[in-house]
Amino acid sequence: GAGVSQSPSNKVTEKGKDVELRCDPISGHTALYWYRQSLGQGLEFLIYFQGNSAPDKSGLPSDRFSAERTGGSVSTLTIQRTQQEDSAVYLCASSLTRGVQNEQFFGPGTRLTVL
Amino acid sequence: AQKITQTQPGMFVQEKEAVTLDCTYDTSDPSYGLFWYKQPSSGEMIFLIYQGSYDQQNATEGRYSLNFQKARKSANLVISASQLGDSAMYFCAMRENQAGTALIFGKGTTLSVSS
Repeated sequence: GAGVSQSPSNKVTEKGKDVELRCDPISGHTALYWYRQSLGQGLEFLIYFQGNSAPDKSGLPSDRFSAERTGGSVSTLTIQRTQQEDSAVYLCASSLTRGVQNEQFFGPGTRLTVL
Repeated sequence: AQKITQTQPGMFVQEKEAVTLDCTYDTSDPSYGLFWYKQPSSGEMIFLIYQGSYDQQNATEGRYSLNFQKARKSANLVISASQLGDSAMYFCAMRENQAGTALIFGKGTTLSVSS
């Protein structure tokens, strides 16, 4: 079946503009995660959605970052008033449930460059 | 304190040799899972292997095995019979049951396999 998809694959924007990044999880996966990977670094957790529960926003670095998940499926990560330090690859992942053992399947990522 | 520590920024190995990538972790949660992911230069995150904290035996998946030493809090990845295609960044990650289901990643180890 189809994996996790993300769009756009690349986004170049000017400092101060807003951007929206999209994630389509694997069908049937109830858990969805957003991570950020800066150049040469490991992944940093941003936000987590599980079904209809309130999202875990504990990883969002500032109030310029927000995310929503509509209908328990597609998710959009929005970054307002982008800054150069927001430049990174934003990765989305989904898993079947929230259990410790559940493997997270990652999308190809969106490479964001803020000029 | 870092939750996941990967002390080897880079490792070099010749084809057909075995290589061990180190990972130590820190948690007080008795229930947790440990994961290894591979990230080739193309950027996708590929799940390799999983070890649960209550698993009695070390996990194995083909040429990958996880040397799980619970008392030492280490979860080293062993790749047997290295192949050129194994050249990539390797990330160790942990999920704690009580803290939620986001993965906590180490900073990664770059593996280079030469012929």
